[in-house]
Amino acid sequence: AQKITQTQPGMFVQEKEAVTLDCTYDTSDPSYGLFWYKQPSSGEMIFLIYQGSYDQQNATEGRYSLNFQKARKSANLVISASQLGDSAMYFCAMRGETGANNLFFGTGTRLTVIP
Amino acid sequence: EAQVTQNPRYLITVTGKKLTVTCSQNMNHEYMSWYRQDPGLGLRQIYYSMNVEVTDKGDVPEGYKVSRKEKRNFPLILESPSPNQTSLYFCASSSNIYSNQPQHFGDGTRLSIL
Repeated sequence: AQKITQTQPGMFVQEKEAVTLDCTYDTSDPSYGLFWYKQPSSGEMIFLIYQGSYDQQNATEGRYSLNFQKARKSANLVISASQLGDSAMYFCAMRGETGANNLFFGTGTRLTVIP
Repeated sequence: EAQVTQNPRYLITVTGKKLTVTCSQNMNHEYMSWYRQDPGLGLRQIYYSMNVEVTDKGDVPEGYKVSRKEKRNFPLILESPSPNQTSLYFCASSSNIYSNQPQHFGDGTRLSIL
């Protein structure tokens, strides 16, 4: 069975600083995908970044990067140079086992950027 | 503009009164899904559809029905809503669940069942 764990219910970061949001996962499938989504206070779900289990390099998208440590089963999101607009809920999610069609979500981390 | 459209965005109703939340996507995606979001629980999948006339249960299907008669539409039906179905609902679509393509989410529907 798959499981996603986000152990930080809330995080604070100073504007312009970097912040790491933790995500660990559990799966027995050798092939899987990991996603991060941002949910601002307006409620919509915004895709940020993707990491495939066979990708050799850590994924990056602008100020977002994914610190993928396969042996530790962790996929932490790093946001560099935080901005006030980064204040939001962040969800880590994992695509299910090969042949399954579910996207398993963690419980989320609420990030607050302090001016 | 590529998008997933849900209606209504907000609804307050009473126990037992049937309701339908519509979902439409304009990206010709094969895969569509419904999630509910509850505080402290993240998003949980209700139902999904791999293509027209192909639907299957997710993790929390009890009390819900879906249909997929057309590729673009995937309505969520609550035949007899109850207060424990008060939640924020999201419809999502993607071209291929096996690829690295992310699911595109609608803006959400906030349901309150009194």
